[in-house]
Amino acid sequence: AQTVTQSQPEMSVQEAETVTLSCTYDTSESDYYLFWYKQPPSRQMILVIRQEAYKQQNATENRFSVNFQKAAKSFSLKISDSQLGDAAMYFCAYLWDFGNEKLTFGTGTRLTIIP
Amino acid sequence: NAGVTQTPKFQVLKTGQSMTLQCAQDMNHEYMSWYRQDPGMGLRLIHYSVGAGITDQGEVPNGYNVSRSTTEDFPLRLLSAAPSQTSVYFCASSYSVSTGELFFGEGSRLTVL
Repeated sequence: AQTVTQSQPEMSVQEAETVTLSCTYDTSESDYYLFWYKQPPSRQMILVIRQEAYKQQNATENRFSVNFQKAAKSFSLKISDSQLGDAAMYFCAYLWDFGNEKLTFGTGTRLTIIP
Repeated sequence: NAGVTQTPKFQVLKTGQSMTLQCAQDMNHEYMSWYRQDPGMGLRLIHYSVGAGITDQGEVPNGYNVSRSTTEDFPLRLLSAAPSQTSVYFCASSYSVSTGELFFGEGSRLTVL
């Protein structure tokens, strides 16, 4: 069974600093997608970034980037120049069952931004 | 843009009562799904639909029913509520299969006494 593990229940970072959230996953598939979703206090989940497993290049979206290590099954999220609005729960997610959109989510990391 | 709309946002039920959580999307998305979120467990898939008239079970389907008579609507029915169904429920939709980019509603907090 595919599993997603986020070993850091809580993280904090000083405003304007950089923080890295960890995610590991277990799979026997060779082709899959990985995601980071953000859930702010408003509760509505928002997609932050997506990585296709067949792409070696790490995905980036403005201040958000990933470090994708396929062999190690690791998918960390780096947030640069942290802002107060980045405070949220961050969920790592995995998709392999293309056509059914059945995502497997990790348990989340709560990120606090210290002013 | 309304996006994905869930109602109600909050609900308290007594054990054994039934209710329906409504979900509607105005983006003409084929794929819709229901997740529940519990502390320390992330989100778990309850049911999903890849198009009108087609539904299937997810990871935790017991105690829930769904139907998809239109592209826009995907209601989740609790047949006989139990305290174990106390949770926050999220409806999500996607415009394309094989992308994983889900658009979520704001969630519905359900408490079963």
